[in-house]
Amino acid sequence: EPEVTQTPSHQVTQMGQEVILRCVPISNHLYFYWYRQILGQKVEFLVSFYNNEISEKSEIFDDQFSVERPDGSNFTLKIRSTKLEDSAMYFCASRQGRPDNSPLHFGNGTRLTVT
Amino acid sequence: TQLLEQSPQFLSIQEGENLTVYCNSSSVFSSLQWYRQEPGEGPVLLVTVVTGGEVKKLKRLTFQFGDARKDSSLHITAAQPGDTGLYLCAGEDRTTDSWGKFQFGAGTQVVVTP
Repeated sequence: EPEVTQTPSHQVTQMGQEVILRCVPISNHLYFYWYRQILGQKVEFLVSFYNNEISEKSEIFDDQFSVERPDGSNFTLKIRSTKLEDSAMYFCASRQGRPDNSPLHFGNGTRLTVT
Repeated sequence: TQLLEQSPQFLSIQEGENLTVYCNSSSVFSSLQWYRQEPGEGPVLLVTVVTGGEVKKLKRLTFQFGDARKDSSLHITAAQPGDTGLYLCAGEDRTTDSWGKFQFGAGTQVVVTP
């Protein structure tokens, strides 16, 4: 069964550094997402992406965050200058698209640790 | 922001017992999904419910969507140790055109002991 893959599985970085988290969504999916989960807290929506542009973003997704689909397969999340509070599991998800009630398929996440 | 409340937060039962997990909100959802999450992994989809009153069965798991599409339940019959995990519900409101902006509950940690 096709799956969403994320790399790396664990990233450690120093505060103020830039990080890029990578995702390969399922190949025939059209909608892409980033969610995050701080340890012990709920899974939170960050951003949705469709047709090469952001569809919606949460208040968490400030100017330090950006997303890109640089080619036909990768979907990346960049954090320009990491803060301690950015430490979390970051999940990429993809979805086939309208008009059906297609479910979100999640990757296994990247654990980001900011020191 | 629509809030999803899950109860109980933690449930520990013996193998063979039944259990029910609840997911409640004051808001209406276009669809609701149930996931199971293992430590260090992403949520894995179990089911999507869309229609009010809908009941779906997945082997020993029974999912129900409330008539008003504000609440849902997950019932496990004759639980097995392999059912251990964090069960998450997530609701989507497509009336606001928030496509894929799921609101997640905090989860119910289920532990099934042999």
